[in-house]
Amino acid sequence: QSVLTQPPSVSAAPGQKVTISCSGSSSNIGDNFVSWYQQLPGTAPKLLIYDNNQRPSGIPDRLSGSKSGTSATLGITGLQTGDEADYYCGTWDSSLNTYVFGSGTKVTVL
Amino acid sequence: QVQLQESGPGLVKPAETLSLTCSVSGYSVTNTYYWGWIRQPPGKGLEWIGHMFHTGSSYYNPSLLSRVTISVDTSKNQISLRLSSVTAADTAVYYCARRAGAPHQDFDYWGRGTLVTVSS
Repeated sequence: QSVLTQPPSVSAAPGQKVTISCSGSSSNIGDNFVSWYQQLPGTAPKLLIYDNNQRPSGIPDRLSGSKSGTSATLGITGLQTGDEADYYCGTWDSSLNTYVFGSGTKVTVL
Repeated sequence: QVQLQESGPGLVKPAETLSLTCSVSGYSVTNTYYWGWIRQPPGKGLEWIGHMFHTGSSYYNPSLLSRVTISVDTSKNQISLRLSSVTAADTAVYYCARRAGAPHQDFDYWGRGTLVTVSS
């Protein structure tokens, strides 16, 4: 069972918006930066968001990240079929001394 | 362009030691990043194994601490993973990745991963 809780799945039509939540605690999200990763089927995870809301070079601005207290959110606007993937949040847990990943959320484009 | 490539046996017998190597190109492992391993059992989520700095400072998942060793070979620009006394539960795709130092918490470059199956 993951320390960080994500919804198992979210879905929306092309062009719409989805948000993915990541719920943690004061020792992980509440105390550290959050990252988000996209894993397309059969491929390695790819960094989408770091330091809560920063996008690496090449990541479009229709992806956004935010953090409030012990929760973080990934938003994807203008949904495309190429966005169908699993998405994971991740951060350090200062109490467990462990890097923790969320349980993962599958995004489906209807 | 930073690239990471895992290599090693795809099949390991139970109770033996899993050994993997990650070759890094386009970036020196002695620069200011950590180097780590993450695994993913078939059909499941990501699990952090550990990461280390080239000077030896290391962090391991407490659930694997007694069995895991990560090392950095600066002469070959490689990172290695050793996991002893493996069981079927260690069957997974193993990824090596570059990790930013604190306070940052992201793994920014990943290898393609290598599937390791534990079976007799």
